[in-house]
Amino acid sequence: LAKTTQPISMDSYEGQEVNITCSHNNIATNDYITWYQQFPSQGPRFIIQGYKTKVTNEVASLFIPADRKSSTLSLPRVSLSDTAVYYCLVGGPGNTGKLIFGQGTTLQVKP
Amino acid sequence: DVKVTQSSRYLVKRTGEKVFLECVQDMDHENMFWYRQDPGLGLRLIYFSYDVKMKEKGDIPEGYSVSREKKERFSLILESASTNQTSMYLCASRRGYEQYFGPGTRLTVT
Repeated sequence: LAKTTQPISMDSYEGQEVNITCSHNNIATNDYITWYQQFPSQGPRFIIQGYKTKVTNEVASLFIPADRKSSTLSLPRVSLSDTAVYYCLVGGPGNTGKLIFGQGTTLQVKP
Repeated sequence: DVKVTQSSRYLVKRTGEKVFLECVQDMDHENMFWYRQDPGLGLRLIYFSYDVKMKEKGDIPEGYSVSREKKERFSLILESASTNQTSMYLCASRRGYEQYFGPGTRLTVT
């Protein structure tokens, strides 16, 4: 299973764009990249998933370069309510569903 | 919407007690997971199950066991609770690449 590395913490201000980068040098060919968000006292929730290039939904964008050894979660115009821990995971359905969560990135959005 | 429920939000048990944490999902998912979360350590996988009566150890299975008699229910068992098992316990089920988490059970062992 590919190990991921992300910054422990980041600070931002309301209205700014936030980019969180995750390294996954040992990603396998059939692995997807998935990001989760976790608020205090809640379970993580799915944000976005991708395999290559760019994926965008109503919450975020995910940028994946051609070599797939890293990925960047982009949160446009963050608000105070985006303060949370963000986890990057890599994995695929072929490994019976096991996914490894790292320590995540704690994003603090300031007014 | 997928719903994953856990039997308790908060639980206080004494050292040596047998503890059952129950998790139920309503979407007929085959894969279910138990994690514990501790400050500075992120989420760590205890056990997971990919079918009824099938289970595999995660990264930290010591001191825990699991039971999956029905597809919708996955139970985590602490045979003899210890203070180092004080933690937040999170259950999840999986569809495709997406995991759905329950609200968590904060267990305190005194």
